[in-house]
Amino acid sequence: EVELVESGGGLVQPGGSLRLSCAASGFTFNKFWMHWVRQVPGKGLVWVSRIDSDGTNTRYADSVKGRFTISRDNAKNTLHLHMSSLRAEDTAVYFCARGGTGGYYFDYWGQGILVPVSS
Amino acid sequence: SYEVTQPPSVSVSSGQTASITCSGDKLGERFASWYQQKPGQSPVLVIYQDTKRPSGIPERFSGSNSGNTATLTISGTQALDEADYYCQAWDSSTPYVFGAGTKVTVL
Repeated sequence: EVELVESGGGLVQPGGSLRLSCAASGFTFNKFWMHWVRQVPGKGLVWVSRIDSDGTNTRYADSVKGRFTISRDNAKNTLHLHMSSLRAEDTAVYFCARGGTGGYYFDYWGQGILVPVSS
Repeated sequence: SYEVTQPPSVSVSSGQTASITCSGDKLGERFASWYQQKPGQSPVLVIYQDTKRPSGIPERFSGSNSGNTATLTISGTQALDEADYYCQAWDSSTPYVFGAGTKVTVL
C-alpha cells in the first residue's frame, strides 16, 4: 500500500526557514516524480514544486522560486522541501504527492502538514 | 499563465447525476484530472488523463474532455460523494494548474 507521511511542520516566523520531509513507502520510490502541493485552509490546491525520479530536474511555482528547494534521498525513500524567507502568505497545509504515470497528475497524496508563518 | 475555471457549487438530489465542468483555453488538447477532497482529508484522484478511473474508484465517476471543457460526471450520486472536487490540467508554462474547486452538495 502506498503511504506518504509528511513531517517537519510547525510555527515559523516571517523570514524564517523550515524543512519539510515526506517519508514514502509501499512503492519503488526512485521510479516516480514527486511533488509538493499546498492549500491555504478553506481555499484551493496550489502546486508548489516537482522533482524527477533521480533528483536531477526540479521545477517551482513562480511564487516560491528562489526561496524553496525540493530534494530527495532515494536511499532513504524521502522527499524534502526546504523553505526559506518564509512569508505570511506561505501559511498553508503542505501535501507531498506522487506523480502519476506520464507526469500529468498526482495519484497518491500524504495527509498534509500545517505550516503557519506568523510572528 | 494558464487557468481553469470551475463553478463554485453544484447541488444534486440523491440518486441523480451531477456534472461538474472545468473550462480552459483548448483544455481538450491537454490532459485533465479530477480530485475529490472531503473536509479534513487529503485529495483523492478520481479521474486522470481525461477519462481514466484509478482502481478503487466507483464506476459512477466518469470524465470527458473536449474543446474548452472537461466534465466530471457522478451518476447515481450518493451522500458520501458530497465533497469538494478540483480539476487539474497540465500546461508547459505553469505547469500544474488547479481549478478553484466545486463544492458538491447532495440533497
